[in-house]
Amino acid sequence: EAGVTQSPTHLIKTRGQQATLRCSPISGHTSVYWYQQALGLGLQFLLWYDEGEERNRGNFPPRFSGRQFPNYSSELNVNALELEDSALYLCASSLDSMNTEAFFGQGTRLTVV
Amino acid sequence: AQSVTQLDSQVPVFEEAPVELRCNYSSSVSVYLFWYVQYPNQGLQLLLKYLSGSTLVKGINGFEAEFNKSQTSFHLRKPSVHISDTAEYFCAVSLSGTYKYIFGTGTRLKVLA
Repeated sequence: EAGVTQSPTHLIKTRGQQATLRCSPISGHTSVYWYQQALGLGLQFLLWYDEGEERNRGNFPPRFSGRQFPNYSSELNVNALELEDSALYLCASSLDSMNTEAFFGQGTRLTVV
Repeated sequence: AQSVTQLDSQVPVFEEAPVELRCNYSSSVSVYLFWYVQYPNQGLQLLLKYLSGSTLVKGINGFEAEFNKSQTSFHLRKPSVHISDTAEYFCAVSLSGTYKYIFGTGTRLKVLA
C-alpha cells in the first residue's frame, strides 16, 4: 500500500512568487494535515482538511492557503513568498477526523531565494 | 493552550547503551501523546502512542515510553541503542478528539560507535 506522497520533493522559488505543494493521502484516508518544519522552529501546524473542508488552521498568515479535492488529495498554496517561508513542508493523513494516528509523507523542501 | 517541551536538543550516546529522551507537556484537558522519529531527509514515522489505559507503552524498534500524569511527562526510552537509531525524535500531543498535533522542538539522538 502506498504511503502519503508529496510533490515536488524540492522547490526553489524567488521572493514574491507563489508556490504550490501537493499531497496524496493514503488510500481511504479522508483527513489531511499540513505542517511547516522551519529551521530552529520545529514542526508548526498549518492546516487540517477533512472531507473537503478546512477544519482547523494554525497561526499563519492568510497567504498560506489550501484546499482538499474530492479524491481527498490536497494542495498547499503559499503566495507572496518570503525568505522565511523556506522550510520542509510535511503532509500527513489519517483515516478520518476521529482517528488518532497520522501518517506523514517525505515532505517538500521549499527554498525561497 | 497546550505545549510540549523536549528538554534536550541533542543527546549523544554510545552504541548498546540505554537512552532516555525527555518530554513534558502542558495541558488543562486530556491529551493523546505520541513519539515520532525522523530519519535524515525523510518524513515522520510513528514510534508509539498513548491514548488511554496502561501507562507503559511499547512501540517499534524496541522503544517504550511511560505516561506520568502527575509529572505531565512522556519520556521515551530504549535499553540498548543501535547506530541506526541516530535520528531526530519528536514528542507530540493532540487534544483528545481533535487532531491538531502540537510538536516539541525535537531531540537529535546521535549514537556513537
